[in-house]
Amino acid sequence: AQSVAQPEDQVNVAEGNPLTVKCTYSVSGNPYLFWYVQYPNRGLQFLLKYITGDNLVKGSYGFEAEFNKSQTSFHLKKPSALVSDSALYFCAVRPLDSSYKLIFGSGTRLLVRP
Amino acid sequence: DTEVTQTPKHLVMGMTNKKSLKCEQHMGHRAMYWYKQKAKKPPELMFVYSYEKLSINESVPSRFSPECPNSSLLNLHLHALQPEDSALYLCASSQDRVRGTEAFFGQGTRLTVV
Repeated sequence: AQSVAQPEDQVNVAEGNPLTVKCTYSVSGNPYLFWYVQYPNRGLQFLLKYITGDNLVKGSYGFEAEFNKSQTSFHLKKPSALVSDSALYFCAVRPLDSSYKLIFGSGTRLLVRP
Repeated sequence: DTEVTQTPKHLVMGMTNKKSLKCEQHMGHRAMYWYKQKAKKPPELMFVYSYEKLSINESVPSRFSPECPNSSLLNLHLHALQPEDSALYLCASSQDRVRGTEAFFGQGTRLTVV
């Protein structure tokens, strides 16, 4: 079965410090992986994706993610957190047999304190 | 224009009412989606339209009726809903039949059934 796990319900970090939001996946074949962010009472905003190529993917708002095939992980990172980064973050994988479906992780709430 | 527009933003309806949610995009995307999201949970796929034809129905109750009048518009007709249907309803669009494409989400309609 294909799945995505976000092991942390919440991540707390001080402003200016680096942040990491963890994501691991279980999928056979080459995974297509995505990160989305959701601010309160808003829709999901696309941050970045891994399809193929360079394991370090750069995205919007200074975020990046590192694809690690051996550890089946796709952790989201940012060198210096901002209070405005506080939001709900979802990792997602696209199943091999679909061009449409996204399997979402349970979400991680990021809280950046001033 | 990378925007998906949803109206209304908020909707309160009684269990005997009929209402409709609307979604519009002008990115030329031929795949459009309806998702349901409960608080602090990931979005759940409801329907997918591909080239204005219903492609996926994730066993959604018939009180939810989708419609795709043209390639830019997507509606969700609501009738005889239950209080447990209260949620954030998200519309999304993407390129069609491209497995590596990301979905663009609207801001959602916050639905309350009383």
